[in-house]
Amino acid sequence: DQQVKQNSPSLSVQEGRISILNCDYTNSMFDYFLWYKKYPAEGPTFLISISSIKDKNEDGRFTVFLNKSAKHLSLHIVPSQPGDSAVYFCAASAVQAAGNKLTFGGGTRVLVKP
Amino acid sequence: KAGVTQTPRYLIKTRGQQVTLSCSPISGHRSVSWYQQTPGQGLQFLFEYFSETQRNKGNFPGRFSGRQFSNSRSEMNVSTLELGDSALYLCASSLYGTDTQYFGPGTRLTVL
Repeated sequence: DQQVKQNSPSLSVQEGRISILNCDYTNSMFDYFLWYKKYPAEGPTFLISISSIKDKNEDGRFTVFLNKSAKHLSLHIVPSQPGDSAVYFCAASAVQAAGNKLTFGGGTRVLVKP
Repeated sequence: KAGVTQTPRYLIKTRGQQVTLSCSPISGHRSVSWYQQTPGQGLQFLFEYFSETQRNKGNFPGRFSGRQFSNSRSEMNVSTLELGDSALYLCASSLYGTDTQYFGPGTRLTVL
């Protein structure tokens, strides 16, 4: 039972344009969401997070939007740069649950073309 | 601050052996979590430790175990290795009470 889903396995975008990555979740207990970027054979790098009490969080070129009623979040990268080419994972956790446990989506591979 | 460190980075074992992986969290972080990444199953939660106590556990067999020391360093152990245990094992640390986890570079385990 996949509680966090990233339905697009890959995305190709031109340098300078916007990259939009989507993520859906089913568990209504999730109240904290994160996006990570990952290169092969390396650990995920934290990008940005959002709490369920917000609907938007911005950090530089990265903006995360949360639609709680639709159980959907998205990551916008503007402008996209070649160095953004990587696999992006969305993750969710339930703060009220005991301990830290992240549930990850399957990832979206982003290719930014120069 | 130094990031999360994991040792060793690469490991090759044979079926039936056991293995111990080590993780040093970011200074001041008291929570350490372990994840397994495989091509087929993606990133899956193994367990989480806080103040030397396991607080949460994923759906893995008892062959997977861990512990945390008083300095927050953590080890995970896999006994009776199987071919399917070949994976990238990731450790992440976080401050008490927050959910942003910061990951180490991982240990690539290959079981032959």
